[in-house]
Formats: sequence, structure tokens, C-alpha cells
Amino acid sequence: GENVEQHPSTLSVQEGDSAVIKCTYSDSASNYFPWYKQELGKRPQLIIDIRSNVGEKKDQRIAVTLNKTAKHFSLHITETQPEDSAVYFCAARYSSASKIIFGSGTRLSIRP
Amino acid sequence: DAGVIQSPRHEVTEMGQEVTLRCKPISGHNSLFWYRQTMMRGLELLIYFNNNVPIDDSGMPEDRFSAKMPNASFSTLKIQPSEPRDSAVYFCASSFGREGPNEQFFGPGTRLTVL
Repeated sequence: GENVEQHPSTLSVQEGDSAVIKCTYSDSASNYFPWYKQELGKRPQLIIDIRSNVGEKKDQRIAVTLNKTAKHFSLHITETQPEDSAVYFCAARYSSASKIIFGSGTRLSIRP
Repeated sequence: DAGVIQSPRHEVTEMGQEVTLRCKPISGHNSLFWYRQTMMRGLELLIYFNNNVPIDDSGMPEDRFSAKMPNASFSTLKIQPSEPRDSAVYFCASSFGREGPNEQFFGPGTRLTVL
């Protein structure tokens, strides 16, 4: 069935280092992959997304890569800063409807 | 636009009581989603509507949960009777389109505590 797996569940990196979060999806017909950031006590907010016809997308310190063959996609944050500490969710939209399936989340902590 | 509006922001009730959560999506959006978030289960999709019609309610946990969308600008999620295990943050989100950009905009959430 529809499933998005996300790893790791927690991640701690030194300020200034890079962080990578990985996700896999089950439906090869998925065509839209957003990433959401949720700060403590706040709502999830979109930070970047990628479509199935693109292999990579970058926005300042954030980049996302997509491997359709392997059904993998990843979030890369470079030069991490304290304000990057949050829970990050990957997601995949299945082509048959508007429904988006979310991963289980990664709690990212940036060590000063 | 004020974004997605949810009310109440916090709700504390006793087991067995009826709880109604309300959501106003962003004007012009045609899809509306209800999510439940807990530490144990993460972010779960309960139900979503497209053009006011329920499309998928497979995430609704039990018959105690029901959702309606009487018009394009209003939706409710009702729990009757409520139980302590229903305690969670409930988010409403809306988006526009089916094949094009599909960013979901989340409301601030309703924190529900059932005693």
C-alpha cells in the first residue's frame, strides 16, 4: 500500500556541518515530493519540494535529490545553523488523488 | 489572506463529551485535509475533501470520529464520545489543484486534551 519511510528518526549535527535525511516511497507513480519543517509548538511548513521530472533542486542551503528508479529522495542541509533545529517530514503525493503521505519525521538538533 | 484558520486553539474536555473542531481553509483552495499528530503515531491523515466531497476517510480511527464540509469555506471534525486516547494536536490543511502544485498550507492546530 501507500507508504513513505523516513530515516533517521533523530539526527544531531555540529553547527556548520551538513545534515542528510533520507526517504523512500512505495508507489512508482508518485509525482510530487514536498519537505516540511515543524518547529516546536508550531505548524508544519513547506521548505522545498521536487517533482518527478526533476532530479535535484536547490534553494540556498537546502537541496533535495530524487532517484525515481530506486524510489529514494533526500534532503540536504549545508552549513547548519541553530535555527535549523526542528522536526522535518518528507512526503509523497500519489498520482491518483491529492492525498499526500507523510514520513514519520526526523528530529534534527544542531549542536553549538 | 489570513491562512488556514482553526478553532478552538485549545480544548480541554472530559471523557464522554462531544468535541467539535472547526476549520476555514484558504479562500480558493479546493482540497481540505484533517490530520492528527501525536508523539507515538506522528502525523496521521484522518480524512480529506476535494471540492467539498469526502474522498478518503480511511484514516478515521473509529465511528466516534466524523467530518463534514458543508461548503468551500468551512469544515468540522467531530468526536463523540471523546476518550483520553484522542488527546492530540489536530491540524487542518488546505491546498489547490490536483495535477499542479500541491503545497498544503497548515492551520495552527487545535490542541485537544481529554481527561
